[in-house]
Amino acid sequence: QVQLVESGGGVVQPGRSLRLSCTASDFSFTNHGMHWVRQAPGKGLEWVAVISHDGSNKYYADSVKGRFTISRDNSMKTLYLQINSLRTDDTAVYYCARGRGYCGGSSCPLEGYWGQGTLVAVSS
Amino acid sequence: DIQMTQSPSSLSAFVGDRVTITCQASQDIDKYLNWYQQKPGKAPKLLIYDASNLETGVPSRFSGSGSGTHFSFTISSLQPEDIATYYCQQQVNLLITFGQGTRLEIK
Repeated sequence: QVQLVESGGGVVQPGRSLRLSCTASDFSFTNHGMHWVRQAPGKGLEWVAVISHDGSNKYYADSVKGRFTISRDNSMKTLYLQINSLRTDDTAVYYCARGRGYCGGSSCPLEGYWGQGTLVAVSS
Repeated sequence: DIQMTQSPSSLSAFVGDRVTITCQASQDIDKYLNWYQQKPGKAPKLLIYDASNLETGVPSRFSGSGSGTHFSFTISSLQPEDIATYYCQQQVNLLITFGQGTRLEIK
């Protein structure tokens, strides 16, 4: 049973940093690209970033470029999202999700495997 | 970025009704469109991938069609457990975008 478990969320002051983690189990983590998707309270889904299977390719939504960094540790089967200079509009539930295949080319389709999400609340 | 325009934003129907949601892409996305169901407090659940393929385990009353820029999602006979918000999502390239969602309610 494929499982993705996010952690690292919490209440953080504006301007601070946070690192989210997503631990994978029961599938070959090194064979899949991975995504982060977020959802602000009461709002729709917003794609955040994607990383290829080996970490060599990374792409970001314009809204987070320069402040967010996606990375992975395949030995630990863990995906990360480093969020710097947090703003109140970063408040959201952050989901990790599996991509279809290596994702080293021009697309990385989302598959039906998502974590349960971790809430980041930015507030002074 | 590719914009996804989903309609309607909300919908109310009777149990047993046929329900259709549409999604229009701002440019050609071929067949690279997913449909999700999301219930409050839960992660999105993939129902349809590549425009018309039913995800494993999803009831056959759910279906999708379309290609290029116009897509539709249909529930053939609405059930009480289908109450949720539905999203389309394109993935023709690495910059994925979602529609704004359709909130589905029972009359």
